[in-house]
Amino acid sequence: KAGVTQTPRYLIKTRGQQVTLSCSPISGHRSVSWYQQTPGQGLQFLFEYFSETQRNKGNFPGRFSGRQFSNSRSEMNVSTLELGDSALYLCASSLGNRLAGHGELFFGEGSRLTVL
Amino acid sequence: KNEVEQSPQNLTAQEGEFITINCSYSVGISALHWLQQHPGGGIVSLFMLSSGKKKHGRLIATINIQEKHSSLHITASHPRDSAVYICAVRSRGGGADGLTFGKGTHLIIQP
Repeated sequence: KAGVTQTPRYLIKTRGQQVTLSCSPISGHRSVSWYQQTPGQGLQFLFEYFSETQRNKGNFPGRFSGRQFSNSRSEMNVSTLELGDSALYLCASSLGNRLAGHGELFFGEGSRLTVL
Repeated sequence: KNEVEQSPQNLTAQEGEFITINCSYSVGISALHWLQQHPGGGIVSLFMLSSGKKKHGRLIATINIQEKHSSLHITASHPRDSAVYICAVRSRGGGADGLTFGKGTHLIIQP
């Protein structure tokens, strides 16, 4: 069973640019969630999608957005990049059943973004 | 707002020792996750708990819902257990139930 795939793994951008990251979940998983990890703030929740609908959103500015497609693949976009957006961006997939605590999380390897 | 506190922040132990990592949270939750992250590596889910106790090999996780506390135990620790262990909780109700993470426990097991 293939795991969670994130692309690209590494990327370098300059301030003011925008970036799109992709996440392909495990087959059969309907929930994809996104996280930002930095040395200073640790792991922080960005947003969660379930069946193409945003179900939860963390405390990030509107420059951070995402979407989920009908095949459960998800993308997140960061516009007008700032130096502080440099981070490891992780996605996780799960079955997403709220009655079962959303299910076990399976993480991708992450996309490491450097903003110069 | 749910606060998640982990202790200790750093832990160095000798191979074979029994390890305990603690996690406390402030509001009601629907689930608690223990995660493992090796240096430069991705994150692996160790346990998802909503009550009681779970065991996988040398790892044991417990949760006390009334006391809002969970522990992760490693028996017969080994250098390959060296990693960052992260507690994450999913708040219950209100529609906003994304994960809140602890700062992590940096564990080093020396041979």
